[in-house]
Amino acid sequence: GAGVSQSPSNKVTEKGKDVELRCDPISGHTALYWYRQSLGQGLEFLIYFQGNSAPDKSGLPSDRFSAERTGGSVSTLTIQRTQQEDSAVYLCASSLRVTGQETQYFGPGTRLLVL
Amino acid sequence: EDQVTQSPEALRLQEGESSSLNCSYTVSGLRGLFWYRQDPGKGPEFLFTLYSAGEEKEKERLKATLTKKESFLHITAPKPEDSATYLCAVQAGGSYIPTFGRGTSLIVHP
Repeated sequence: GAGVSQSPSNKVTEKGKDVELRCDPISGHTALYWYRQSLGQGLEFLIYFQGNSAPDKSGLPSDRFSAERTGGSVSTLTIQRTQQEDSAVYLCASSLRVTGQETQYFGPGTRLLVL
Repeated sequence: EDQVTQSPEALRLQEGESSSLNCSYTVSGLRGLFWYRQDPGKGPEFLFTLYSAGEEKEKERLKATLTKKESFLHITAPKPEDSATYLCAVQAGGSYIPTFGRGTSLIVHP
């Protein structure tokens, strides 16, 4: 079956512009996660959704970052007034549910470059 | 604070030269330990989930094992196509968020 998909695959933007990153999880997966991966760094947790609600927003690095999920499916991560330090790969993952033991399946990522 | 440490950071092997990657963790109440493979420019690809000490899982040339303090990913007779970064992640306690290690970059020379 189809895996997790993300779009765009690459995004180049100018400092100060807003960007939207999209994630389509595996069908039937109720849990959805966003991570950021910078060069040479590990995966940094940003936010997760159980259904349409986001119980844990603690990983969002600043109030310029926001995310939403509608219909228990597609999620959008929005970065406002982008800064050069926002350049990274943004990864989305989904799992069947949030139990603490569920395997997360990752999408290919969106590579964001802020000039 | 949960900690996940992977070693070595980088490993170079000759084709056919077996070795092991280590993932050590300090967490309370392990729920699951996950191994992923990540190729350049791609998202992590799931390999194994281990839930309890003593558990082992195998897939082709890979075998993952788990103790109360660490996990090993054994690679038997590796091939160049096994070259990738291998990530370990742990879910523990009441958290639904896995803690990832920084990964081991493996290069297998023909």
